[in-house]
Amino acid sequence: AQSVTQLDSQVPVFEEAPVELRCNYSSSVSVYLFWYVQYPNQGLQLLLKYLSGSTLVESINGFEAEFNKSQTSFHLRKPSVHISDTAEYFCAVSETGGFKTIFGAGTRLFVKA
Amino acid sequence: SQTIHQWPATLVQPVGSPLSLECTVEGTSNPNLYWYRQAAGRGLQLLFYSVGIGQISSEVPQNLSASRPQDRQFILSSKKLLLSDSGFYLCAWSEGYTGELFFGEGSRLTVL
Repeated sequence: AQSVTQLDSQVPVFEEAPVELRCNYSSSVSVYLFWYVQYPNQGLQLLLKYLSGSTLVESINGFEAEFNKSQTSFHLRKPSVHISDTAEYFCAVSETGGFKTIFGAGTRLFVKA
Repeated sequence: SQTIHQWPATLVQPVGSPLSLECTVEGTSNPNLYWYRQAAGRGLQLLFYSVGIGQISSEVPQNLSASRPQDRQFILSSKKLLLSDSGFYLCAWSEGYTGELFFGEGSRLTVL
């Protein structure tokens, strides 16, 4: 069975600073990987995904994540954060050909002025 | 385009009372449907998923149940709520096998 570990529960960072949110997964088969973002009292929105091909994937608002198979990681990065990036971020994994998507515990990103 | 509706948005129920949360997807057919529960600091816990009408897979033993009476309708129920059932419940749908999920806005349940 697959599992996801998000190593940081909270990440405070100043505006315009870079940030990295860490995610490691465990699975015995090949996987698809996702990052979702959740704003207060809302559902989750897909931020970016890795299905196949290039191991570096990007979102429209400047986030990127790199699939590292040897380290079983899918860390999320942004070179310069904005106040509006304050939210909770969830890493998720789905085994290829499967129906279940498993989520990590989430990382709360707090961007300070 | 596809949309997902979930209701009620907020619910306060006494211990021992029944529960019914509903979720409907529009603009697609034969979606995979999911119920997740989110508790503070614990991420999203997959409760149930369904790949077709009447087909329900349960992930966590508990006093909750799910039903899929129609292709695009997914219902989460309980006959008697416990305090531990409090949380934020999220319905989601997906197509095929990519695992990419589309979420509803959530239902916040408080059991007193």
